[in-house]
Amino acid sequence: QKEVEQNSGPLSVPEGAIASLNCTYSDRGSQSFFWYRQYSGKSPELIMFIYSNGDKEDGRFTAQLNKASQYVSLLIRDSQPSDSATYLCAARYGQNFVFGPGTRLSVLP
Amino acid sequence: EAGVAQSPRYKIIEKRQSVAFWCNPISGHATLYWYQQILGQGPKLLIQFQNNGVVDDSQLPKDRFSAERLKGVDSTLKIQPAKLEDSAVYLCASSSLEGVGETQYFGPGTRLLVL
Repeated sequence: QKEVEQNSGPLSVPEGAIASLNCTYSDRGSQSFFWYRQYSGKSPELIMFIYSNGDKEDGRFTAQLNKASQYVSLLIRDSQPSDSATYLCAARYGQNFVFGPGTRLSVLP
Repeated sequence: EAGVAQSPRYKIIEKRQSVAFWCNPISGHATLYWYQQILGQGPKLLIQFQNNGVVDDSQLPKDRFSAERLKGVDSTLKIQPAKLEDSAVYLCASSSLEGVGETQYFGPGTRLLVL
């Protein structure tokens, strides 16, 4: 059974701080990992993906992957109130995507 | 490039009634997914199509749910009869799956409320 786990939160951070979101996955067969942002009442939208060990940066977002620990994280620098949303981690296995339950992030002004 | 289209956006029905959802994927995307997302949870895959063939329907409650993708483009998902626990958002997504970083793109979803 392929599973992706996340802390459901809510995670509250003050505006301007770094938000750290974590995700673990159960099956080492995953090829790549995706972070989606989902605003309340909206559909998920892709933030970034990562498939190599290490860090990948895109603007204020940094994804980190540690395949040995089966761990993926997303760092959001200079958090803004507009970053308040649920963040979904997904692992891709071939043509399948397995989603975690999401972490709710609240950025306080 | 037009995104994934879904209709209707909202539907309210009574239990034991039937309902159908429609999805039109991004042009050229061979892979189409239907997900069920219950409030507070991540999306759960119901069925995945590759062109007009089913790749994975292991989590589809086949006694009440059915889906088809005729001609490998549009798809419909049907629930008959609906139960209270089917209240959820039904998300359609599509992907070309070319390359390890290729992701899936979601439609706006259909919110279903079963009374």
